[in-house]
Amino acid sequence: DQQVKQNSPSLSVQEGRISILNCDYTNSMFDYFLWYKKYPAEGPTFLISISSIKDKNEDGRFTVFLNKSAKHLSLHIVPSQPGDSAVYFCAAIGGGSYIPTFGRGTSLIVHP
Amino acid sequence: DAGVIQSPRHEVTEMGQEVTLRCKPISGHDYLFWYRQTMMRGLELLIYFNNNVPIDDSGMPEDRFSAKMPNASFSTLKIQPSEPRDSAVYFCASSLRQGGHYGYTFGSGTRLTVV
Repeated sequence: DQQVKQNSPSLSVQEGRISILNCDYTNSMFDYFLWYKKYPAEGPTFLISISSIKDKNEDGRFTVFLNKSAKHLSLHIVPSQPGDSAVYFCAAIGGGSYIPTFGRGTSLIVHP
Repeated sequence: DAGVIQSPRHEVTEMGQEVTLRCKPISGHDYLFWYRQTMMRGLELLIYFNNNVPIDDSGMPEDRFSAKMPNASFSTLKIQPSEPRDSAVYFCASSLRQGGHYGYTFGSGTRLTVV
């Protein structure tokens, strides 16, 4: 049973436009959320995180929004660049464990 | 630091053979994790160690899987006997502290194909 769900396996966006990657979770005890980015033939790398005491965290072109009541978070990339093409994993921590639970990932393709 | 180093990068083996995947964590990191990535299940945690001691192996799919960490700089994940459904990318990650909040450092992974 997936506690962290990324329901879109893939997303295609034009360069310069906004990319929105979505993530839903079921465990209300999760209180910290992370996004990882993975290029082909490489391991995932940490991108951005957010604590449940916040509803937004911004780092350059990347912004993560958290809606606790809906158990939903999203990653916005503005503007999208071809180098952003990668698989993005959502992860959540909480419920007495410090080990993240990962989603299945969303493959983002940014077209020039 | 060279980061988390995994070997081999690719492994193709026949069903029934033993497979050993290797990992060298970042020096000074006291947590080590083994993950498996598949299309169906995404990134699954198999097992993790703290100070070379296995803490949680509940993610290990079957008794055919075993993992060891004989010292702070080396860990192995062994599959014996291997089966085609074990085909996946296996990642090792390490962290300082229990660390989910601080992000893990992942290796580049081992792509395992069992034919």
